[in-house]
Amino acid sequence: GEDVEQSLFLSVREGDSSVINCTYTDSSSTYLYWYKQEPGAGLQLLTYIFSNMDMKQDQRLTVLLNKKDKHLSLRIADTQTGDSAIYFCAEIPYSGAGSYQLTFGKGTKLSVIP
Amino acid sequence: DTGVSQDPRHKITKRGQNVTFRCDPISEHNRLYWYRQTLGQGPEFLTYFQNEAQLEKSRLLSDRFSAERPKGSFSTLEIQRTEQGDSAMYLCASREGAGSPLHFGNGTRLTVT
Repeated sequence: GEDVEQSLFLSVREGDSSVINCTYTDSSSTYLYWYKQEPGAGLQLLTYIFSNMDMKQDQRLTVLLNKKDKHLSLRIADTQTGDSAIYFCAEIPYSGAGSYQLTFGKGTKLSVIP
Repeated sequence: DTGVSQDPRHKITKRGQNVTFRCDPISEHNRLYWYRQTLGQGPEFLTYFQNEAQLEKSRLLSDRFSAERPKGSFSTLEIQRTEQGDSAMYLCASREGAGSPLHFGNGTRLTVT
């Protein structure tokens, strides 16, 4: 089946690192994505990783992929108050229909304490 | 690159009325998607266009919903005889190729009273 799971809430202090975790079920997923959503806004692409990679780093963001455990994580270094938002993990499950549509988790709400 | 544009940002309508939303994708993107997002949930796929062809529809897309992309550029999503359960954020996204990232608009928030 196609299912993406995330913990719903995470609270960290400003300056600390945040780690947001995600598990997915479709082992044939080719790309995995992290999106950020601020209140009342659409989804902003943060980063993505191809399934043949284990890690990707982009400035303060580090993505780790464990294909064996179907586990994806997003680490935000030196978390700032502006990082407070909902973070969504998404995969492209194998659909066979060619749409390559993304399946999203329910999102993790990150609260940064000043 | 002006991004994906959606109009209107907010729509309040009475139950039973029809509503139509518009999406203008990024100009060179031939793939366009509609998603629906309710409170506390992630976006759920509704339908997909490649150029002007509607190639996939979710079972979430009831008969009251119809989407078009007549010239392969902008798209419209119409909901007929709206119900309170239709209240949600309707998100449009586009992409250049099959595996490339989806770029989302800011959505249209629909409230059915």
